[in-house]
Amino acid sequence: DVKVTQSSRYLVKRTGEKVFLECVQDMDHENMFWYRQDPGLGLRLIYFSYDVKMKEKGDIPEGYSVSREKKERFSLILESASTNQTSMYLCASSELILNTEAFFGQGTRLTVV
Amino acid sequence: DQQVKQNSPSLSVQEGRISILNCDYTNSMFDYFLWYKKYPAEGPTFLISISSIKDKNEDGRFTVFLNKSAKHLSLHIVPSQPGDSAVYFCAASAGTSGSRLTFGEGTQLTVNP
Repeated sequence: DVKVTQSSRYLVKRTGEKVFLECVQDMDHENMFWYRQDPGLGLRLIYFSYDVKMKEKGDIPEGYSVSREKKERFSLILESASTNQTSMYLCASSELILNTEAFFGQGTRLTVV
Repeated sequence: DQQVKQNSPSLSVQEGRISILNCDYTNSMFDYFLWYKKYPAEGPTFLISISSIKDKNEDGRFTVFLNKSAKHLSLHIVPSQPGDSAVYFCAASAGTSGSRLTFGEGTQLTVNP
């Protein structure tokens, strides 16, 4: 079974803090993704990566950056957290082939106060 | 620009009856479609998918129908069970963008005993 693990289930951070969300997958997948889920908006792609040290902007990259130093690990960084970044963050991974599903972690509920 | 739309935020059905969840898309490059199920405080889990070369795919109680000319797909659950109560997300990908998924807003399905 594919396992995607996010380091925290719940986080509370203060406005202006630098926040790191970590994600690890154990199936040697090339692709990794960060989404955020907000009510009425579905899942929106923040950043994704097709390979180590490679990254591509998704639909809503503003205020975020990512790091992929190892194949199994993909980190999302909030450079200076703001209240509008309060959300559910979901990491996913998939194989580097067409027409395949992505496997998601359990999510991190981030609250910025 | 919402390329994948789920116009019904919620749906309520009786146990044993059919649940029909709908999804529309605008991007004609999409060629692979998926449905995910999400329980509160958990990550989405893959349910069923369909390629654009097909118009129907079945897996047990779940059937997905694709109408390419209408850019519409639907998920049928028969018979519905209380454990099916969850948020259902429609997603799509285009071969030109690898396995990057674009999601709809989600539909909350409630199956009443």
